[in-house]
Amino acid sequence: QVQLVQSGAEVKKPGSSVKVSCKASGDTFSSYGITWVRQAPGQGLEWMGGIIPVFGTTNYAQKFQGRATITADESTTTAFMELSSLTSDDTAVYYCARSFMIPFAGEWRDGYCDYWGQGTLVTVSS
Amino acid sequence: EIVLTQSPGTLSLSPGERATLSCRASQTVSSDYLAWYQQKPGQAPRLLISGASTRATGIPDRFSGSGSGRDFTLTISRLEPEDFAVYFCQQYGSSPPISTFGPGTKVEIK
Repeated sequence: QVQLVQSGAEVKKPGSSVKVSCKASGDTFSSYGITWVRQAPGQGLEWMGGIIPVFGTTNYAQKFQGRATITADESTTTAFMELSSLTSDDTAVYYCARSFMIPFAGEWRDGYCDYWGQGTLVTVSS
Repeated sequence: EIVLTQSPGTLSLSPGERATLSCRASQTVSSDYLAWYQQKPGQAPRLLISGASTRATGIPDRFSGSGSGRDFTLTISRLEPEDFAVYFCQQYGSSPPISTFGPGTKVEIK
């Protein structure tokens, strides 16, 4: 059974960083990617980026380039998303999701997300 | 970056009616790499459709996806009470490999 279990809620000060973890079960790390998506209160879904652990490749939305870092520890099948220089606009629920690897332009990339974590609320407030 | 536009923003229908949701891309979505998700309040999104038209495991056949290129449609043939939710489309077929979501369509009870 596929499960993605995320770390608990966080309250952070503006200017600080947050690191959210996502523990995956099953064969997720050997055959799939991990994607991170966030959702601000009352808003839609925002794709942040993803990692394919078996290749170690990452992709980020331009908006998060240089501010978000997505990593994966294959030994513990845990993925991490760290976001720095937090502002109140970063207050959101952060989801990790298992992404199906798809072939694209001669390489593998993150595709659609078939299993999701429970979400982690990150609140940025002074 | 491919921008996705969903219409309508809100769809007010009664149980048993047919729902037609649209997702339009600013550029062609390669290989019809488009997915649809359902989200209910307080829950994570649930995958409904991938590859524009392939139902995910366990998704009832009243949900169907169609379209190609820039225009895609999610159809719910007969709305059940549990189908009232927000629906998002996602493209994952752009170069560079950046995915984007549409803003969502809320299907509410009329």
